[in-house]
Amino acid sequence: DAGVIQSPRHEVTEMGQEVTLRCKPISGHNSLFWYRQTMMRGLELLIYFNNNVPIDDSGMPEDRFSAKMPNASFSTLKIQPSEPRDSAVYFCASSSRTDTDTQYFGPGTRLTVL
Amino acid sequence: RKEVEQDPGPFNVPEGATVAFNCTYSNSASQSFFWYRQDCRKEPKLLMSVYSSGNEDGRFTAQLNRASQYISLLIRDSKLSDSATYLCVVNRDKLVFGAGTILRVKS
Repeated sequence: DAGVIQSPRHEVTEMGQEVTLRCKPISGHNSLFWYRQTMMRGLELLIYFNNNVPIDDSGMPEDRFSAKMPNASFSTLKIQPSEPRDSAVYFCASSSRTDTDTQYFGPGTRLTVL
Repeated sequence: RKEVEQDPGPFNVPEGATVAFNCTYSNSASQSFFWYRQDCRKEPKLLMSVYSSGNEDGRFTAQLNRASQYISLLIRDSKLSDSATYLCVVNRDKLVFGAGTILRVKS
């Protein structure tokens, strides 16, 4: 079975540019999570969706960040405009309704904003 | 104060050693508890759940003390492949991750 798929795996962009990160959760999973990991702050939950509906976006740093889940098999995290302090690894994870405690993480997108 | 606190380490141990990691959490409403493992430049993966009665999975033993809000992980007979960062995680309607403890097992 395919795990969580994220693209791109690496992204280097310049300050002010728009960045879009993509995620495909495991088929059949109904919850999707976006995390950010930095050395300073560790792994932080940004937002999560249940059945494609955003449930908790309290971790989204500011209005420059937005996330969508138009269907059960796809989600995007957009940063516009990007800033150097957004440089981090962004993970997407999914879980099923029968095992809400176990989250399966994608390989992450390593974002560098110059 | 962070909601989940861990000693960042690194713990440098020889192969075959027994090593223990501890973690404390501040929110008494936390419902379930886990250890995740993260290899260098990889994604976190669930290692094991943690129960009050304690649970064991091969060389790994996890324990929860709700009264003290304390979680532990014991690794016996350490292998080189155990080298990783171990993340303590609590669930209070969402997963909250500790910053991780680095383990380096040396030959």
